[in-house]
Amino acid sequence: QQQVKQSPQSLIVQKGGISIINCAYENTAFDYFPWYQQFPGKGPALLIAIRPDVSEKKEGRFTISFNKSAKQFSLHIMDSQPGDSATYFCAAPPNDYKLSFGAGTTVTVRA
Amino acid sequence: EAQVTQNPRYLITVTGKKLTVTCSQNMNHEYMSWYRQDPGLGLRQIYYSMNVEVTDKGDVPEGYKVSRKEKRNFPLILESPSPNQTSLYFCASSWGGAGDNEQFFGPGTRLTVL
Repeated sequence: QQQVKQSPQSLIVQKGGISIINCAYENTAFDYFPWYQQFPGKGPALLIAIRPDVSEKKEGRFTISFNKSAKQFSLHIMDSQPGDSATYFCAAPPNDYKLSFGAGTTVTVRA
Repeated sequence: EAQVTQNPRYLITVTGKKLTVTCSQNMNHEYMSWYRQDPGLGLRQIYYSMNVEVTDKGDVPEGYKVSRKEKRNFPLILESPSPNQTSLYFCASSWGGAGDNEQFFGPGTRLTVL
C-alpha cells in the first residue's frame, strides 16, 4: 500500500506570509502529483498538479516544488490570504487507477 | 452544471441496518471511486470502478459493497454497518484512472452509526 506522509498536520500563518506543506512518497507508477484543497463542508477540489518533467510549477500564489531523487514534493502558498484557510491534501498514484492521499494539513490564515 | 451528487448528505443509523449512499455524475466519466475521510488519516479509497460492470477494491474495502450498472451511478452499500464505519464519505469521478487524471468530488455524506 502506497504511503504518502504529509506534514505539518496544521499551521497558522499571518496574512501575507508563506505557508509550506511537505509530502514524501514511497513509489509511484506515474509522475503525477496533485494537491487538493478542501473547504469546510465541501468536497476536495484539485488545486494544482505537477508532472515532473519540471521541478517546479507555479499557478498564481501557489507553487509545487518536486525533488524526484528524494521522493518529496511540497506546496508553497505565497502571500497567504484568509480565503486560503482550508485543508490541503497531497497525493501520489501507486498505479493508474488509484491515488494515495496524505493525511492533510489544515491551514489557518490570520488577518 | 457539471457535478457529482451524493445522497443523503447526512445519515444517522444503527448497527446492522443496511443502507445505501447514492452517487451520480453528469460528466460522462469512465472512472468513479469512493473515499472515506477520517481525522488524521486523510482520504482513503474504498472501491473504484474503471467502467460499467468493472469494479475493484481500494485500500479499505472491508464492510462495503459497490455496483456499477450504469455509467453515471456508483452506489455505496453498507450491508451491516458498524460504529467504525462512522465517517465522512466522498464519491469522485474522472475521465480516466485516478492515477493520472483530475478527480471531481461530490459534496460528501456524513454517516453516523450508533
